[in-house]
Amino acid sequence: DTEVTQTPKHLVMGMTNKKSLKCEQHMGHRAMYWYKQKAKKPPELMFVYSYEKLSINESVPSRFSPECPNSSLLNLHLHALQPEDSALYLCASSQESGRRYAEAFFGQGTRLTVV
Amino acid sequence: QKEVEQNSGPLSVPEGAIASLNCTYSDRGSQSFFWYRQYSGKSPELIMFIYSNGDKEDGRFTAQLNKASQYVSLLIRDSQPSDSATYLCAVIALLDMRFGAGTRLTVKP
Repeated sequence: DTEVTQTPKHLVMGMTNKKSLKCEQHMGHRAMYWYKQKAKKPPELMFVYSYEKLSINESVPSRFSPECPNSSLLNLHLHALQPEDSALYLCASSQESGRRYAEAFFGQGTRLTVV
Repeated sequence: QKEVEQNSGPLSVPEGAIASLNCTYSDRGSQSFFWYRQYSGKSPELIMFIYSNGDKEDGRFTAQLNKASQYVSLLIRDSQPSDSATYLCAVIALLDMRFGAGTRLTVKP
């Protein structure tokens, strides 16, 4: 069983809706990530939250906004999405060790459909 | 130039054979290397990680890293039909983890 929990598992939303994806880990990891994965494509990094600092992939549109309420939670707020944003959204966490980043563990993902 | 490159396959091997998956990366500052297995519609599952040059073995899996050649590989011995999946190579440099496009492996009974 994964120790990274994502909710909801499935989400259908309209283009005018506001919704949030939630991600929680209880492994004491200091880095958390959001990835977007389209069918038959690799995961694409959207955001990294590491040592209380947020790093953003500049290609990610502003209709996606991350929020880190505490070190074990990383939410992704969605607003005015487009149908092409439909994808599997993956959350991951990892434990840094000095300059070396350890393996990341993924949650089960949220399958998002924008209609 | 893609940061992490893999042969997309499909790679087909008979049951019991050795499957060899390859990955090259462009950033010489990369420090950590991972292989993930992903079944269709599921999230990636960590198979192996390797930090130092050489081989690392874990059960039927062996990861090989050559930093001079910027090359990392995964060998699967005694391949099983349950190994059929897409294998993603992932590389960490600085803050983020980048994935290759994945190699689809099919193990035929």
